[in-house]
Amino acid sequence: SQKIEQNSEALNIQEGKTATLTCNYTNYSPAYLQWYRQDPGRGPVFLLLIRENEKEKRKERLKVTFDTTLKQSLFHITASQPADSATYLCAIRGDSNYQLIWGAGTKLIIKP
Amino acid sequence: DAGVIQSPRHEVTEMGQEVTLRCKPISGHDYLFWYRQTMMRGLELLIYFNNNVPIDDSGMPEDRFSAKMPNASFSTLKIQPSEPRDSAVYFCASKQDQNTGELFFGEGSRLTVL
Repeated sequence: SQKIEQNSEALNIQEGKTATLTCNYTNYSPAYLQWYRQDPGRGPVFLLLIRENEKEKRKERLKVTFDTTLKQSLFHITASQPADSATYLCAIRGDSNYQLIWGAGTKLIIKP
Repeated sequence: DAGVIQSPRHEVTEMGQEVTLRCKPISGHDYLFWYRQTMMRGLELLIYFNNNVPIDDSGMPEDRFSAKMPNASFSTLKIQPSEPRDSAVYFCASKQDQNTGELFFGEGSRLTVL
């Protein structure tokens, strides 16, 4: 079955630096991969989708890479700000019926 | 559009009681999903609908769980009878169509079963 792994430990980054989060998956070649942001007590919010034929995608200070050989996606936030502190979830499309397989999320803490 | 609307936001009930969670998806979205989130298991898909028809309910944990979508603007998730292990945050999400990947989530319903 498909499996997704994200760093379970919180990531502490100094404000202004680039934060890099990792998403690794096994046993599948997903058609696309998505990143979501979740704040405490709120629902996940979609950030970016990257397809299997795309290597990189950017949106403002966000950048996502997708390496289908390594089965890995990296999520970068440049010029990080305390407001970027949240849990970031990675999700891949499963092998049937448009289901998403979710990672457990990585908690990002940006320190002023 | 106001986004996906869920109610109640918080529910505290006693074991054995019936719980009904409600969801109003974004207008025009063809897909509706019910998820459960816990610290131990993360986000789990319970069931999803396409054009009001249940497509895959393999994630529904037991017969105690049931979901309906009587029309395009309303869905319910019912737990009867509830048990303490059902305590979790339940999210509803909608998606525009099969060609889009983005899910729009509601704010969730936090259920505590005592």
